[in-house]
Amino acid sequence: NAGVTQTPKFRVLKTGQSMTLLCAQDMNHEYMYWYRQDPGMGLRLIHYSVGEGTTAKGEVPDGYNVSRLKKQNFLLGLESAAPSQTSVYFCASSYFSGSSYNEQFFGPGTRLTVL
Amino acid sequence: QQQVKQSPQSLIVQKGGISIINCAYENTAFDYFPWYQQFPGKGPALLIAIRPDVSEKKEGRFTISFNKSAKQFSLHIMDSQPGDSATYFCAASILSNFGNEKLTFGTGTRLTIIP
Repeated sequence: NAGVTQTPKFRVLKTGQSMTLLCAQDMNHEYMYWYRQDPGMGLRLIHYSVGEGTTAKGEVPDGYNVSRLKKQNFLLGLESAAPSQTSVYFCASSYFSGSSYNEQFFGPGTRLTVL
Repeated sequence: QQQVKQSPQSLIVQKGGISIINCAYENTAFDYFPWYQQFPGKGPALLIAIRPDVSEKKEGRFTISFNKSAKQFSLHIMDSQPGDSATYFCAASILSNFGNEKLTFGTGTRLTIIP
């Protein structure tokens, strides 16, 4: 099992350009998440999905859109990139266990720079 | 608005010593308190998690101490080793209306273990 994979690993954009980050998981998890990690800020939740076709906003959703057309994939889109979106983006997935903590499994990250 | 406060920002400990990282939270609705470990260039990975009705949880050299009345919890790493050098994030989890756990992370502690 590859776990959670992210594409691409690195990307440089110019202000105003658009791009899509792809997250894929092969663990059949119901839930998927997008976070951004900035120095001194920890990880902050952007959007999450609780199943195919169902998404919800997290803590910092502005400037991002998401889609989950297939259970194994979760896409994060930037329609018009801004320098403030320079960050490392992590995708995660989890399953419902009911009786214990639902561990989130993280991908390796995408480092995005917006010039 | 930082709902989970973490300290210190960085920590240097000698090999064999005890590393202690502290966190405090505000929202009493949190239902799990996990710790994640992150190595450079990698995504975070779950280290250990505790429920608020338990005062201590130990897994190998890693122990979480939890003080519900003070709304504080801490990670203790006994017999710290150079391989423990990483960034550690405390987090607090809350069950969403959809049945998944949403995480709020602390700002992270960069731990360095010196020989």
